[in-house]
Amino acid sequence: AQTVTQSQPEMSVQEAETVTLSCTYDTSESNYYLFWYKQPPSRQMILVIRQEAYKQQNATENRFSVNFQKAAKSFSLKISDSQLGDTAMYFCACLNDMRFGAGTRLTVKP
Amino acid sequence: SQTIHQWPATLVQPVGSPLSLECTVEGTSNPNLYWYRQAAGRGLQLLFYSVGIGQISSEVPQNLSASRPQDRQFILSSKKLLLSDSGFYLCAWRQGRYYGYTFGSGTRLTVV
Repeated sequence: AQTVTQSQPEMSVQEAETVTLSCTYDTSESNYYLFWYKQPPSRQMILVIRQEAYKQQNATENRFSVNFQKAAKSFSLKISDSQLGDTAMYFCACLNDMRFGAGTRLTVKP
Repeated sequence: SQTIHQWPATLVQPVGSPLSLECTVEGTSNPNLYWYRQAAGRGLQLLFYSVGIGQISSEVPQNLSASRPQDRQFILSSKKLLLSDSGFYLCAWRQGRYYGYTFGSGTRLTVV
């Protein structure tokens, strides 16, 4: 079965520091898309970043970037210059298979 | 612009009562529609998805059901709620493989 695994249930980081959230996936698709979503305390799901599997270049959106290792089926999220507003649950997803990881709860400390 | 509406935001229902949660999408046609459930502090569990009117695929056979009576309307139902049905229910839509989901604001269901 296709799966998405986030091995870090909780993480914390000091404000202005950098943190990396891990994600591995398994899919039978040859062309697929990977996503990171953020769920703040309001519980609204917000798209953070998208990666197309056929693109070797890692996606970047402002302070958010990914490290996509296709052979290893790894898709980690790096948050630079962490801000208090980054405190949230973060979910990795392989939506071709409609699967989400279990989430990583990130706390940014002042 | 495309928007998704989900209601109600909060619901407290007694065990054995019926359930109807509604989700509608505006500004697009023939979207893929999804219902997910999220237990407290946990990940998202896919319940149902639909690729067209009247087409429903179930991931979790339970006492829940889904219907899509119109192109942009997706309804989650139950005839008799169980305590285990409590959770946060999210509706989402997607327009093609390239795009991620757009989520509704969710319904917090408490079965008492």
